[in-house]
Amino acid sequence: ETGVTQSPTHLIKTRGQQVTLRCSSQSGHNTVSWYQQALGQGPQFIFQYYREEENGRGNFPPRFSGLQFPNYSSELNVNALELDDSALYLCASSLGAFSYEQYFGPGTRLTVT
Amino acid sequence: QKEVEQNSGPLSVPEGAIASLNCTYSDRGSQSFFWYRQYSGKSPELIMSIYSNGDKEDGRFTAQLNKASQYVSLLIRDSQPSDSATYLCAVTDGTGGFKTIFGAGTRLFVKA
Repeated sequence: ETGVTQSPTHLIKTRGQQVTLRCSSQSGHNTVSWYQQALGQGPQFIFQYYREEENGRGNFPPRFSGLQFPNYSSELNVNALELDDSALYLCASSLGAFSYEQYFGPGTRLTVT
Repeated sequence: QKEVEQNSGPLSVPEGAIASLNCTYSDRGSQSFFWYRQYSGKSPELIMSIYSNGDKEDGRFTAQLNKASQYVSLLIRDSQPSDSATYLCAVTDGTGGFKTIFGAGTRLFVKA
């Protein structure tokens, strides 16, 4: 167990809807990164938050957005859901923006129908 | 497009053998390298990190890095059926950003 928690575990949404996924980082970690993992693929970097600021972003459209709160927990919001958004969404926490050793939560399985 | 390449496998080894997993990366500026293990239906678990050329050993695991060849490997000695999983190679973006690029993973199957 890494101490990183995510909610919900599973989620089913309809195309066009909006979804919010949540993540609590490991104690003492101030950096959270979000990843999308499609079946049979490696995790794809969405973005990273460090001390409540977006610190880097991957090749995802603006309808993927996030927040980090003062307690370093984080949210991932996805608007206008598409079928291809169906995936496992992982958050990973790390100790500082310059520590690349990341510890993953259990993930949220999102299904878009 | 910066890439991390891994053989998808499956790699099948008998119990007690050495499993050798390989990874190549395209970004010559990458400085940090990781191996994660992912069991089916679970999230990735960090098992090794390596930052400089050479070997790094931790228990039954040895990570090897050759930056000139842009090559990272993971050796698992005395493989156990519980090592059966997908192994993900991950590399940090060499431009100084905080993006970590993952390979698609190699499936390892250890036969009892």
